[in-house]
Amino acid sequence: SQQGEEDPQALSIQEGENATMNCSYKTSINNLQWYRQNSGRGLVHLILIRSNEREKHSGRLRVTLDTSKKSSSLLITASRAADTASYFCAGGFGNEKLTFGTGTRLTIIP
Amino acid sequence: DGGITQSPKYLFRKEGQNVTLSCEQNLNHDAMYWYRQDPGQGLRLIYYSQIVNDFQKGDIAEGYSVSREKKESFPLTVTSAQKNPTAFYLCASSTAGREPQHFGDGTRLSIL
Repeated sequence: SQQGEEDPQALSIQEGENATMNCSYKTSINNLQWYRQNSGRGLVHLILIRSNEREKHSGRLRVTLDTSKKSSSLLITASRAADTASYFCAGGFGNEKLTFGTGTRLTIIP
Repeated sequence: DGGITQSPKYLFRKEGQNVTLSCEQNLNHDAMYWYRQDPGQGLRLIYYSQIVNDFQKGDIAEGYSVSREKKESFPLTVTSAQKNPTAFYLCASSTAGREPQHFGDGTRLSIL
């Protein structure tokens, strides 16, 4: 079963704008991770936030987590053409069985 | 350079045939995972292994088999019992009990 559902499914923005993606999950987790996937490639880990954290930053990435609403958001600031990819959230306890969402396909228009 | 290598990149299967996808890692990770990704979908867990000679079924294990004879290797066999094998298969590894997972570049399996 899919733990996370991303919203929107697809997003197109102009280069330089900010991109926000949302993820909702169903069961309890102790960490939520975001991954990026370029077309035809494997996933690359971006950032992890634990259940006792509310917000985390890494470079142009900002992640929030609201455990009461079972939701997370990923903000990419000052988008670049190279940010074009699919983005997935994944939640779980430790790393035994991460459950991935359906992904948001982000297109940055130059 | 450390990483995960999946081979082949493309694979074709005939009716009634078993095929094996290779996954090798040199990251000294204890845990390894196999996922299936269908077009426009997220990843679904097929099997995972946290230690040599031990593995557990994931959410969609039917029609698949694995082995974990070496720490570095976690091959996946897609058997003839898997009636809809066309998909993108991803292998990942991690230090057991610690995040995140590191992924290979996948094998795309198609039916002839």
